[in-house]
Amino acid sequence: KQEVTQIPAALSVPEGENLVLNCSFTDSAIYNLQWFRQDPGKGLTSLLLIQSSQREQTSGRLNASLDKSSGRSTLYIAASQPGDSATYLCAVRQQSNAGNMLTFGGGTRLMVKP
Amino acid sequence: DGGITQSPKYLFRKEGQNVTLSCEQNLNHDAMYWYRQDPGQGLRLIYYSQIVNDFQKGDIAEGYSVSREKKESFPLTVTSAQKNPTAFYLCASSPYPTGGPDTQYFGPGTRLTVL
Repeated sequence: KQEVTQIPAALSVPEGENLVLNCSFTDSAIYNLQWFRQDPGKGLTSLLLIQSSQREQTSGRLNASLDKSSGRSTLYIAASQPGDSATYLCAVRQQSNAGNMLTFGGGTRLMVKP
Repeated sequence: DGGITQSPKYLFRKEGQNVTLSCEQNLNHDAMYWYRQDPGQGLRLIYYSQIVNDFQKGDIAEGYSVSREKKESFPLTVTSAQKNPTAFYLCASSPYPTGGPDTQYFGPGTRLTVL
């Protein structure tokens, strides 16, 4: 059964710092991997989706990489801002999964201090 | 204004009561999902439905029930058999079948508290 782990569980950084969030998964037979953002008490917003054939995706100050063979993904946030404070979740979809079901990691709670 | 709505935002339940959480979408998506999120943890799948009048159990279906009588609606009932129902519940939808870049779209969530 697929297991997804995110490290660290919480992170506090000063504004302007570049940072990396980590996600690892146990079964490399994935269809795609997504990074989501969740603000306190809210739903999830998709940030980046990487197909299994891709190595990375970029959106603004965000860059997500995928190394399927080693079961790892990283989310790089450049020049962090207080508005980036949120919980970041990664989720994988298996190749054998016909129902688009996702397995989520536990999330990294990020606080960016002014 | 397309999207997914969940109601109520906050719900309180007494021991032994059944409660129903509402999820509605106007995105014309075939697939809908219910997740449970406990504090500091990721999401766990309760039930999902790929088409009207059909649904499947997820990883933690015990103590929950669903129905899918209409494409746009996927209500979740938390029964008295669910021993620890206090959690944040999220509903999601996605286009189906999926074959390319795809994602799930999430509602704002319902926080259920057992008194």
